[in-house]
Amino acid sequence: EAGVAQSPRYKIIEKRQSVAFWCNPISGHATLYWYQQILGQGPKLLIQFQNNGVVDDSQLPKDRFSAERLKGVDSTLKIQPAKLEDSAVYLCASSSPPRDRAGYTFGSGTRLTVV
Amino acid sequence: QKEVEQDPGPLSVPEGAIVSLNCTYSNSAFQYFMWYRQYSRKGPELLMYTYSSGNKEDGRFTAQVDKSSKYISLFIRDSQPSDSATYLCAALQYNFNKFYFGSGTKLNVKP
Repeated sequence: EAGVAQSPRYKIIEKRQSVAFWCNPISGHATLYWYQQILGQGPKLLIQFQNNGVVDDSQLPKDRFSAERLKGVDSTLKIQPAKLEDSAVYLCASSSPPRDRAGYTFGSGTRLTVV
Repeated sequence: QKEVEQDPGPLSVPEGAIVSLNCTYSNSAFQYFMWYRQYSRKGPELLMYTYSSGNKEDGRFTAQVDKSSKYISLFIRDSQPSDSATYLCAALQYNFNKFYFGSGTKLNVKP
């Protein structure tokens, strides 16, 4: 089975610019997650989708972050405008209930540097 | 208080040593517990998961959960240089379908 695909792998932008990340989950996985992992910290959930509906976006900074999952498959996460503190790895993960109790499958992430 | 607490290390051991990695958690409603391994510049990969209390063994790895003390452990026997990575513990309250991650412990196994 193909894994979770993310692009780009790396991105460097200036503060106040905008950036978008793309995720293609494992085929058939209904649940998709975006996590932010700051260096030296564990992943922090930004948003969770079930099919194309949002289940949890309580920790998404909605004034600058947005995410969508059209047609319940691919997803994009956007930051506009970016701040220095947004520098992190953005991880996408997917799972398929009821197997999600066994954990997610993560992509390799997009490393964002804001300068 | 964070939901899941983990000593960040780093932890440096010689090859062949037994490694003990530990986490504590605060929410007694957590039911599933996972360990992820994360190599540099890669996403986390699931190592093991356990349900409720008890032990689970997979090759050189043993995961242990003590719900009475809210303690999660991962033991690595005969550690190898290829085990050098950051290890993340995570806990899940299933009906909320939301994982809480520790901050990760960086392990270095020296040849």
